[in-house]
Amino acid sequence: EMQLVESGGGLVQPGRSLRLSCAASGFTFDDYAMHWVRQVPGKGLEWVSGIAYNSRSMAYADSVKGRFTISRDNAKNSLFLQMNSLRPEDTAFYYCAKVPSRLEVPYYFDSWGQGTLVTVSS
Amino acid sequence: EIVLTQSPGTLSLSPGERATLSCRASQSVASSSLAWYHQKPGQAPRLLIYGASSRATGIPDRFSGSGSGTDFTLTITRLEPEDFAVYYCQQYGGSSTGTFGQGTKVEIK
Repeated sequence: EMQLVESGGGLVQPGRSLRLSCAASGFTFDDYAMHWVRQVPGKGLEWVSGIAYNSRSMAYADSVKGRFTISRDNAKNSLFLQMNSLRPEDTAFYYCAKVPSRLEVPYYFDSWGQGTLVTVSS
Repeated sequence: EIVLTQSPGTLSLSPGERATLSCRASQSVASSSLAWYHQKPGQAPRLLIYGASSRATGIPDRFSGSGSGTDFTLTITRLEPEDFAVYYCQQYGGSSTGTFGQGTKVEIK
């Protein structure tokens, strides 16, 4: 069974950093691009970032470009999101999501983790 | 950037009734690259439809998608209790930023 499990969320002060992780299982991780999608509690969905299957290409939403870095470790079936210079408006559930594609550009998301909550507040 | 507008904001229906949800794009969506998801409280979104009309794995045939260009529709022929949720459309592909609509809540009347 395909499974994505996020971790690393929590309460962080504005301007600080946080690193999210996503552990994948049940599919051939290095065959697919992976993405992060976020959702402010009670609000809609926003694509954040994507990384190609081989880590050669990454893409970011304008709202996080220059502050967030996506990476992956195919040997450990893991996806990461390094979030620097965090702002209150980054407060959201962050979902790890798989796409049926090898490319880093947004596609449809055919599997999602349960999400991890990041709260940016002083 | 393509903006997706979903309507209505809330749909109040009874189990067994038919639901029709709309998603309108501000520009034509390339190659019918449109997906639908639903999300129940406390859960992650789940893919229902991709390519405007293809059902995802395990999705029952009471769910169907249609449309092209700028106008897309999700139809649920007979609402089951588990179908009451928030529904999102999403456009993808090409130079898209994968934008989502704001959601339609389907609630029990």
